[in-house]
Amino acid sequence: DQQVKQNSPSLSVQEGRISILNCDYTNSMFDYFLWYKKYPAEGPTFLISISSIKDKNEDGRFTVFLNKSAKHLSLHIVPSQPGDSAVYFCAASSSQRSNDYKLSFGAGTTVTVRA
Amino acid sequence: NAGVMQNPRHLVRRRGQEARLRCSPMKGHSHVYWYRQLPEEGLKFMVYLQKENIIDESGMPKERFSAEFPKEGPSILRIQQVVRGDSAAYFCASSPSGGVFYPNNEQFFGPGTRLTVL
Repeated sequence: DQQVKQNSPSLSVQEGRISILNCDYTNSMFDYFLWYKKYPAEGPTFLISISSIKDKNEDGRFTVFLNKSAKHLSLHIVPSQPGDSAVYFCAASSSQRSNDYKLSFGAGTTVTVRA
Repeated sequence: NAGVMQNPRHLVRRRGQEARLRCSPMKGHSHVYWYRQLPEEGLKFMVYLQKENIIDESGMPKERFSAEFPKEGPSILRIQQVVRGDSAAYFCASSPSGGVFYPNNEQFFGPGTRLTVL
């Protein structure tokens, strides 16, 4: 029961260009969404989040867009830099139940930024 | 300011042996979470513990798996009689309080333990 899906396992982008990562979810109880970045041999690190009361959140080069009606969110990285090469995980949680600590992750998208 | 520490980083076991994975949370964090990542999949929640208490183990397989977070020492995830299907990366996360909401309740992840069952 994969409740969070990242359908693109990989993405290759040229340095300086925009990276767009997509994520879909099925559980309508999810109201808080996060993106994590993971380098090889390291744990995931928090990148950016968005609450369902918003449709956009921006932090520097990173912007997350949320389309609740489509149950879809995306992460935009502009401009892409070589250090952005990593695996990006989309994750979701629900604040409406007592188990809001429980993150549901997508399978990840491996981003490669070409020089 | 050491982050979440996990050891060993790599663990090889033969079928039927026991695997013990350790997690030391960040200083000041009393909430620990274990996640498992199978090949080609995302991380899946296994268990949430506070000191000396299991809060939610709904993601743990019913048999062979157990977890603890004693008053002193690291959190331990124990897998008895391992099978090949247990081969995965096991990640531990900690937070200052329960939840996932940034910035107050952010879960900080350790580097993971990669378990290989031969």
